[in-house]
Amino acid sequence: SQTIHQWPATLVQPVGSPLSLECTVEGTSNPNLYWYRQAAGRGLQLLFYSVGIGQISSEVPQNLSASRPQDRQFILSSKKLLLSDSGFYLCAWSVLAEGTSYNEQFFGPGTRLTVL
Amino acid sequence: SQQGEEDPQALSIQEGENATMNCSYKTSINNLQWYRQNSGRGLVHLILIRSNEREKHSGRLRVTLDTSKKSSSLLITASRAADTASYFCATGHRDDKIIFGKGTRLHILP
Repeated sequence: SQTIHQWPATLVQPVGSPLSLECTVEGTSNPNLYWYRQAAGRGLQLLFYSVGIGQISSEVPQNLSASRPQDRQFILSSKKLLLSDSGFYLCAWSVLAEGTSYNEQFFGPGTRLTVL
Repeated sequence: SQQGEEDPQALSIQEGENATMNCSYKTSINNLQWYRQNSGRGLVHLILIRSNEREKHSGRLRVTLDTSKKSSSLLITASRAADTASYFCATGHRDDKIIFGKGTRLHILP
């Protein structure tokens, strides 16, 4: 069965510090991978998505970046955090089911980031 | 950018009643999905309806899709306390992008 891991679960960082959040998926190959951010009490904002190693699409221009060094590893980074980067970060994966045109997403447990 | 807009933003109903949430979107889609999120947790996929489908059922869930109106509804019948959560619609697109709405916070009163 497939599983998705995110770490750390919670993180408190000062403004201006770097960030690295990691997401890994097990039990599937060549998944699409996604990073979302959810501000308190708000919906999900798609930040990045990747359809393959080294292929990253950015949805929102900001001080965050993403990388996919391996097939089932997705990393969200920042060189200098801003206060507005606080939020709940969710990683998700999906696989296009063969013979279909739809993909269901499976989410990790999330990382709660507080920037002080 | 967000595509789906859920309505209402918040809903409180008595246990046992039916809960209806609506979602509207702007551009053409491949499919529409509904997810549930318990407070502080990740999202759980509930149901997916393809663009060529009009209605779908899963247990106590019923989803409708009207592509001419660019809208969908999620009906939860015979609500339970455990249904208290936020519910999000998400539109699936040809480029594998999935875009979420802002969600409806559902509270089931005992």
